[in-house]
Formats: sequence, structure tokens, C-alpha cells
Amino acid sequence: ELKVEQNPLFLSMQEGKNYTIYCNYSTTSDRLYWYRQDPGKSLESLFVLLSNGAVKQEGRLMASLDTKARLSTLHITAAVHDLSATYFCAVDDMNRDDKIIFGKGTRLHILP
Amino acid sequence: NAGVTQTPKFRILKIGQSMTLQCTQDMNHNYMYWYRQDPGMGLKLIYYSVGAGITDKGEVPNGYNVSRSTTEDFPLRLELAAPSQTSVYFCASSYRTGGYEQYFGPGTRLTVT
Repeated sequence: ELKVEQNPLFLSMQEGKNYTIYCNYSTTSDRLYWYRQDPGKSLESLFVLLSNGAVKQEGRLMASLDTKARLSTLHITAAVHDLSATYFCAVDDMNRDDKIIFGKGTRLHILP
Repeated sequence: NAGVTQTPKFRILKIGQSMTLQCTQDMNHNYMYWYRQDPGMGLKLIYYSVGAGITDKGEVPNGYNVSRSTTEDFPLRLELAAPSQTSVYFCASSYRTGGYEQYFGPGTRLTVT
């Protein structure tokens, strides 16, 4: 059974700093997604990563995928308060009809 | 283009009551999903559908039922509500599986007391 682990689960950081959120998964997959959720709101898709070595960037966020290590990273550059949210990674379970398995989320709090 | 809509936004149920959570999408997606989100636990898949007339169980289907009579609608039925079903419920849809992002509705916050 595919398991998805994110760390850290909670991160408080200063504006202007850089940081990385990690997403590990337990079985082979080359399809990984990052979503953002603001408090009390729904989930919004950020990135879809579909192959080993895939890298995508949007503003201050950059996501990458290493399928051999079963690891994705979400890197935040020069954080700003507006990036405060919970970030979820999710992985296609290719052994179970591509059902998507979500991690528990990383709650990011950026202090002004 | 409204995307994925859900009703109601909030609901309080007494133990043993039943209700239906409504979900509609206007993107002509074949795939639709129901998730529940408990605090600090990410999302768990309850049921999903790959097209009208076809549904299947996810990770946590007990206590729920679904139907899919049209491409647009995917209602979730709670029978005999229990406190363990207190959660936030999200409906989502996607064009396909295998590399296609899901689009989420605004959620329904359900409390069972």
C-alpha cells in the first residue's frame, strides 16, 4: 500500500528566508502533485510532476521529482506572508488504478 | 464556468439522521471523487466514479453511499450519521487519472452530535 509522508508537518519561518518541504512515498510512481490549501478553503493545484527529474516553478515556489529516491521537494525562495498555507503532496498509486494518495500536509506559517 | 460546486456549505446532524451532500461539475470530467478531511490527517478517498453509472470504493467507504446518474452530478449519501463522520467533505473531478490534476469543490463542513 502506497504511503506518502511529508516533513515537516508544521513550519514557521521568517519572511525573506528559503526553505524546503519534503515529500517521500513508499512505492514506485512517477506522478506527483502539489496542492495548496488556505485556512477554511478548498485545495488548489500548484504543480503536476510526471517524470523523473521533472522541475516546475511558479513565482517563489519550485517543485521537483526524483522517482528513483521516491522524493519530491517544494522549495520556497525568499518567503512572503502570502505563501502562508497548508501544502499537500499527493501521489498516483500506480498499483491501484492510479488512486491518488495524499500526504498529511505541511502547514506553513510565514512571519512578517 | 463554475467548476465544482457543493451544497450545503455547513450542516449539523443528529446521530442516526441521514443526509445527501450534493456535488456538481460543469467541466465535462468523467472522473469524480469524494474525500473527507480530518484535522491533521490529509485527505482520505471515500468513493470515486469513472463515469456515469460506474462507482467504486475508496479507502474509507463505510457509512457512505454514492450514485452517478449523470456526468455532472455525484451525490454522497450518509446513512445513520455517527460522530465519527464529523469532518470536512470535498468533492473533486478530473479529466482522467494518471497525471491529471483534480479540481476541488469548496467543501461541506459536517458536524454530527
